[in-house]
Amino acid sequence: GENVEQHPSTLSVQEGDSAVIKCTYSDSASNYFPWYKQELGKRPQLIIDIRSNVGEKKDQRIAVTLNKTAKHFSLHITETQPEDSAVYFCAASSLLGTAGGTSYGKLTFGQGTILTVHP
Amino acid sequence: DADVTQTPRNRITKTGKRIMLECSQTKGHDRMYWYRQDPGLGLRLIYYSFDVKDINKGEISDGYSVSRQAQAKFSLSLESAIPNQTALYFCATSDLGDGGKNIQYFGAGTRLSVL
Repeated sequence: GENVEQHPSTLSVQEGDSAVIKCTYSDSASNYFPWYKQELGKRPQLIIDIRSNVGEKKDQRIAVTLNKTAKHFSLHITETQPEDSAVYFCAASSLLGTAGGTSYGKLTFGQGTILTVHP
Repeated sequence: DADVTQTPRNRITKTGKRIMLECSQTKGHDRMYWYRQDPGLGLRLIYYSFDVKDINKGEISDGYSVSRQAQAKFSLSLESAIPNQTALYFCATSDLGDGGKNIQYFGAGTRLSVL
């Protein structure tokens, strides 16, 4: 099965700095890579995702890059703010063929990164 | 997301007791999941169900069982609770919208302590 490794486990930055979180995956069939953010005491929520036919995707201050050859993908947060402090999870999934058509299957999550942004 | 409701929110139980965690959703999603969250281990999949008649084991199903009573309800049972099942448990749902991305919508979580 798929195995997703995430680094670092903790990351501390000053407000305004950039933060980078990296993930590697093992299954070359994986082709969908979402990132979830979990604020303290809250539930995880999707913040950005990327499919394997795209090398980079950006949404305001966050971006995700994917290197399929090396089987790794990264989350980049620029101009960090205290409200970016949270646990971030990467995940990987692959397409399934079902009676209802194709869709992505179950997600395999990384171990999580605790990001702290100091004012 | 208020559309995925977990009960109870907190539970303390003793070793050997049988307990059930419940999840209900009003999102109309076919797919439902149970995850366990432990510090440093991320979100690990216990069981998942892609429709009412479909139940699948995840990566850590030993010691757990599930029941999909209806499209909207997916319950997780610990037949005989043990201390290393102390964790934060999340239910999630998804559907095939947005190009089949399988975006997970999580409940608020159940914090379980086994003494």
